[in-house]
Amino acid sequence: ETGVTQSPTHLIKTRGQQVTLRCSSQSGHNTVSWYQQALGQGPQFIFQYYREEENGRGNFPPRFSGLQFPNYSSELNVNALELDDSALYLCASSRQGRLIGYTFGSGTRLTVV
Amino acid sequence: GESVGLHLPTLSVQEGDNSIINCAYSNSASDYFIWYKQESGKGPQFIIDIRSNMDKRQGQRVTVLLNKTVKHLSLQIAATQPGDSAVYFCAESLTTDSWGKLQFGAGTQVVVTP
Repeated sequence: ETGVTQSPTHLIKTRGQQVTLRCSSQSGHNTVSWYQQALGQGPQFIFQYYREEENGRGNFPPRFSGLQFPNYSSELNVNALELDDSALYLCASSRQGRLIGYTFGSGTRLTVV
Repeated sequence: GESVGLHLPTLSVQEGDNSIINCAYSNSASDYFIWYKQESGKGPQFIIDIRSNMDKRQGQRVTVLLNKTVKHLSLQIAATQPGDSAVYFCAESLTTDSWGKLQFGAGTQVVVTP
């Protein structure tokens, strides 16, 4: 059984640019949730994707958007990057959005300069 | 790997001692709680969970206690080992929501000394 994989592991972007982060869900999982973790803080929920649609959103602006594909993998897109977007972005997969068995990837470290 | 634990409260524990990590949760309606361990460069790793209809649950070397009256969770680690050094987060959720969203606490850095 493969775990949750995220790519890339690290990247550096310039303020104002756009970025796409990718997540492959664990085998058998059909729901992907994205979290932002600033340095020294707990993860903050961005949104969740289920059946290729956004299925719940945290307190993040519309420039944070996502996609889910038929194979349940997902992308997180952030437009007009700001310095405060620098963080570890985590995705977690689960079955039917359930929290039992919720599995996190190792994250993508985004630095905005 | 990069540090997760900058500016977090730190608990220093001697190897072999028991650790107690505390967490205050925010939503009195939350009905499901999870403790996660996060090592540098990794995502949160599930340790143990508890539902609101319980006040104690035990796992291997870990015990979670839930006090709903004061909205408090604790994680007890028995015979702490060097491999237990990490940042620990509690997370809460309201499972009657139509989607699974976790709200995380601020985290505690645990440092195990020999």
